[in-house]
Amino acid sequence: SAVISQKPSRDICQRGTSLTIQCQVDSQVTMMFWYRQQPGQSLTLIATANQGSEATYESGFVIDKFPISRPNLTFSTLTVSNMSPEDSSIYLCSVGIIVSEQFFGPGTRLTVL
Amino acid sequence: KQEVTQIPAALSVPEGENLVLNCSFTDSAIYNLQWFRQDPGKGLTSLLLIQSSQREQTSGRLNASLDKSSGRSTLYIAASQPGDSATYLCAVNGGGSNYKLTFGKGTLLTVNP
Repeated sequence: SAVISQKPSRDICQRGTSLTIQCQVDSQVTMMFWYRQQPGQSLTLIATANQGSEATYESGFVIDKFPISRPNLTFSTLTVSNMSPEDSSIYLCSVGIIVSEQFFGPGTRLTVL
Repeated sequence: KQEVTQIPAALSVPEGENLVLNCSFTDSAIYNLQWFRQDPGKGLTSLLLIQSSQREQTSGRLNASLDKSSGRSTLYIAASQPGDSATYLCAVNGGGSNYKLTFGKGTLLTVNP
């Protein structure tokens, strides 16, 4: 398995601002993923972030709104840009380890006013 | 497009009861299936991973089965305890180049003492 930490654990932000979420893993991993969980809903994949390449975004998510960095094999950031109340969600990062089993971080709970 | 359905949406049982959670998926061309547990406001804990070539996996009081051809998986919990109360999520991995997980909406389990 892997130990994954996220910062911040929660935040309350004003509309129009941006928030950068950090994800740190205790071991080197190739595949990192960012998910969104809207209130009362299940998880939806935002993008896949592999080190050394551009992030791959899912349908409905764009780089201008959710820029992602992956500078090395243990760290990634997701920025939620120009936020609106509809962006209020839990954002989770995950990593793929052995035979594609995925492990998740504790999540970042974002509230946009 | 893969769709994952979990039934029931919520389940309340007395302590000690054995129970079954159901998961169905529309595209049987999967790489693996993973069951997770999510406590309120928290991240996901991986419970069991079943590869597409496997029929079941066991961990303690948990047993997960997979019938890929019919697009179904079940999570069996034996001798339920109040500490088992959580939301249980089923996620299907379609493989390919990014090992994307598609999640169901989950089953909210309450075990009453």
